[in-house]
Amino acid sequence: SQTIHQWPATLVQPVGSPLSLECTVEGTSNPNLYWYRQAAGRGLQLLFYSVGIGQISSEVPQNLSASRPQDRQFILSSKKLLLSDSGFYLCAWGTGDSGQYFGPGTRLTVT
Amino acid sequence: QKEVEQDPGPLSVPEGAIVSLNCTYSNSAFQYFMWYRQYSRKGPELLMYTYSSGNKEDGRFTAQVDKSSKYISLFIRDSQPSDSATYLCAQRGATNKLIFGTGTLLAVQP
Repeated sequence: SQTIHQWPATLVQPVGSPLSLECTVEGTSNPNLYWYRQAAGRGLQLLFYSVGIGQISSEVPQNLSASRPQDRQFILSSKKLLLSDSGFYLCAWGTGDSGQYFGPGTRLTVT
Repeated sequence: QKEVEQDPGPLSVPEGAIVSLNCTYSNSAFQYFMWYRQYSRKGPELLMYTYSSGNKEDGRFTAQVDKSSKYISLFIRDSQPSDSATYLCAQRGATNKLIFGTGTLLAVQP
């Protein structure tokens, strides 16, 4: 069966500090991978998606970036965090004919 | 107009009630819909997905799509306190991207 991992689960970072969130998927090959952000009381905002190694599409212009160094690894990064980057970050995987399956999420607070 | 709209609730029902959760969508080009359940501080869990019109049943859950009115619904029979969560609807659009509603918070009172 497929499993998706995210870490860390919780993170508190000061404004201006860097960020690295990691997501890995087990039990599937060549999945589509997605990063979402969920702000309090709001829906899920798609940030990035990837259909293969090194292939990243950005949905929202911002100070975040994503990379996919391996088939089942997806990383979300920032060089300098803003207060507005606070939120619940979710990684998801999917294939062409299925839904998307979410990880447990990382709760980021920028202070 | 948002592409997928959902009443945020909260919706409070007694245990055992039938729950009806609804969304509307604006883009008729895409006919693949999903329902997710999200417990507090957890990632969303895929409950059901449906294609085009009609009903799909899975245990106590039934998903329904009405193309004519651009309406999608999730029914929960014999609701339980463990069903208390936020329910998100989504429409799968171009390049398999999902467009989510903002979610409906459901509370099932014992």
